[in-house]
Amino acid sequence: KNQVEQSPQSLIILEGKNCTLQCNYTVSPFSNLRWYKQDTGRGPVSLTIMTFSENTKSNGRYTATLDADTKQSSLHITASQLSDSASYICVVTRENSGYALNFGKGTSLLVTP
Amino acid sequence: DGGITQSPKYLFRKEGQNVTLSCEQNLNHDAMYWYRQDPGQGLRLIYYSQIVNDFQKGDIAEGYSVSREKKESFPLTVTSAQKNPTAFYLCASSPQGANTGELFFGEGSRLTVL
Repeated sequence: KNQVEQSPQSLIILEGKNCTLQCNYTVSPFSNLRWYKQDTGRGPVSLTIMTFSENTKSNGRYTATLDADTKQSSLHITASQLSDSASYICVVTRENSGYALNFGKGTSLLVTP
Repeated sequence: DGGITQSPKYLFRKEGQNVTLSCEQNLNHDAMYWYRQDPGQGLRLIYYSQIVNDFQKGDIAEGYSVSREKKESFPLTVTSAQKNPTAFYLCASSPQGANTGELFFGEGSRLTVL
């Protein structure tokens, strides 16, 4: 079964600290993996996409990694800011899957002053 | 600015009533989607449309209906047959097949059944 599991479910960190969110998947054959940020009451916004050949990709203070062998991805946030408080959703696409995407349940991050 | 506009942002409905959620995009995207989001769950696909006058059921289409008469518009009707309609509804579009993974989302519509 094509599944996407995210951990932790929720996380609270102090402003300025770093954190890492995890995404494990069983989706196969793998096409790509995206991380989305969803602010409370808003629509998700894409942060980064990882394809099979990519190990690391950065977008400002966000760095995503992908290990296609172990089917794991992580999203590392450096020097967290209050505006990083949001839900982070991992979405994995299977090759030739048409319009079907596999969504994780998300990690809810709260950055406190 | 290009984007996806959903309306209304908040909607209250009595049991037994149908409601229609609006979704308009000016991104010139062919594909449009409706997702439902419930607390603690991943997004679930209700309907999607690849082209005008064509749409397909997603994983949880029962109790919902859609139309795609114009490229820019993809309204969702939540009918009285939907057993548990209270949820956050997200409309999205993509420039081509969702295989690339990038969806452009609207701001969402929160439906509450009283």
